[in-house]
Amino acid sequence: EVQLVESGGGLVQPGGSLRLSCAASGFTFSSYWMHWVRQAPGKGLVWVSLINNDGSRTTYADSVKGRFTISRDNAKNTLDLQMNSLTAEDTAVYYCARDYCAGGSCYSIDYWGQGTLVAVSS
Amino acid sequence: QSALTQPPSVSGSPGQSVTISCTGTSTDVRSYNRVSWYQQPPGTAPKLIIYEVTNRPSGVPDRFSGSKSGNTASLTISGLQAEDEADYYCSSYRSSSTLIFGGGTKLTVL
Repeated sequence: EVQLVESGGGLVQPGGSLRLSCAASGFTFSSYWMHWVRQAPGKGLVWVSLINNDGSRTTYADSVKGRFTISRDNAKNTLDLQMNSLTAEDTAVYYCARDYCAGGSCYSIDYWGQGTLVAVSS
Repeated sequence: QSALTQPPSVSGSPGQSVTISCTGTSTDVRSYNRVSWYQQPPGTAPKLIIYEVTNRPSGVPDRFSGSKSGNTASLTISGLQAEDEADYYCSSYRSSSTLIFGGGTKLTVL
């Protein structure tokens, strides 16, 4: 069974940093591209970042470019998101998510974690 | 990065059909067959119901169908059931290896 379990969320002050992690199991993690997607309370889904299967290629939404860094450790089956210079607009549930296609990206997401809440407030 | 445009809400009675539109631009929906649709009941994670415009993952009922014409993709749900009540989101590949979501549509089953 595919499982994605996020951790690392919490309350952080504006300008602060936070590192999210996602533990993956139930599939060959090193074969899949992975995404981070966020959802502010009561709002819609917003794509944040994508990393390819070996970690050599990353892309970001304009709203987080230069502040967030996605990375992965295929030996540990983990996906991370380092978030710096946080603002109130970054407050959201952050989902770790698996791309539908193995070996490449379909830019579709077939498995989602349950999400971890990041709240940016003083 | 502007979101794809979806109607905020749609509604229908059990047994009827509803269609949700998703309008993009020449840099996303029009140019790539990488449109997906997701269903998100309240308080849960999204579920993939359509990928690559028209394809259904295993286990998704054939009541759900997708299509695309020009800048606009559409999701049609036929034989509406109470359990279909949820938020629906479209997404599309956008140039430069990025992904863009729609603003979401709330489906109410009357």
